[in-house]
Amino acid sequence: AQKVTQAQTEISVVEKEDVTLDCVYETRDTTYYLFWYKQPPSGELVFLIRRNSFDEQNEISGRYSWNFQKSTSSFNFTITASQVVDSAVYFCALSEARYSTLTFGKGTMLLVSP
Amino acid sequence: ETGVTQSPTHLIKTRGQQVTLRCSSQSGHNTVSWYQQALGQGPQFIFQYYREEENGRGNFPPRFSGLQFPNYSSELNVNALELDDSALYLCASSRNRDRDEQFFGPGTRLTVL
Repeated sequence: AQKVTQAQTEISVVEKEDVTLDCVYETRDTTYYLFWYKQPPSGELVFLIRRNSFDEQNEISGRYSWNFQKSTSSFNFTITASQVVDSAVYFCALSEARYSTLTFGKGTMLLVSP
Repeated sequence: ETGVTQSPTHLIKTRGQQVTLRCSSQSGHNTVSWYQQALGQGPQFIFQYYREEENGRGNFPPRFSGLQFPNYSSELNVNALELDDSALYLCASSRNRDRDEQFFGPGTRLTVL
């Protein structure tokens, strides 16, 4: 069975601080996909990144970066120089290679204050 | 915006009633998945429809049922509503059932009193 654990329930930072959101996953599949989604107060899930299990390269997109480590089954997400607009709930998710259904973690609420 | 729409936005029902939620998938997408998100939790997979057939189901009782239409829009029906069914119901569409990214709609907030 697949499982995604986001141990941090809530994180509070002050604007311009860097923040890392942790994600640990469990799966028996050798091929799988990992995702991060952002959920602002409006409720819609916004796709941030998808990474397949064979690609362990770290990725940077603007202020966002992701660190995928298969050895520790982790896929952590860092926001550099956080902004108030980054305040949201962030979800890490996992899917098997064959099907697109997602297993989500419980989410981490990020509060960025001015 | 993802192009996935859901209706209604909000809904209030009483225990024992039945409800139907609707989802229009993004153009060109033939797969729709439904998720239930209880307050403070991550979304949980209910079921997926691919080309009008159920293509997988999560750990939800049979009173949760669905349909997908020839235009690939979808309905989620819940019978005999219980208080614990209060949640945000999210619909996601994808181009195909295999490996494709899912695009989420804004959700329907269901409150059961």
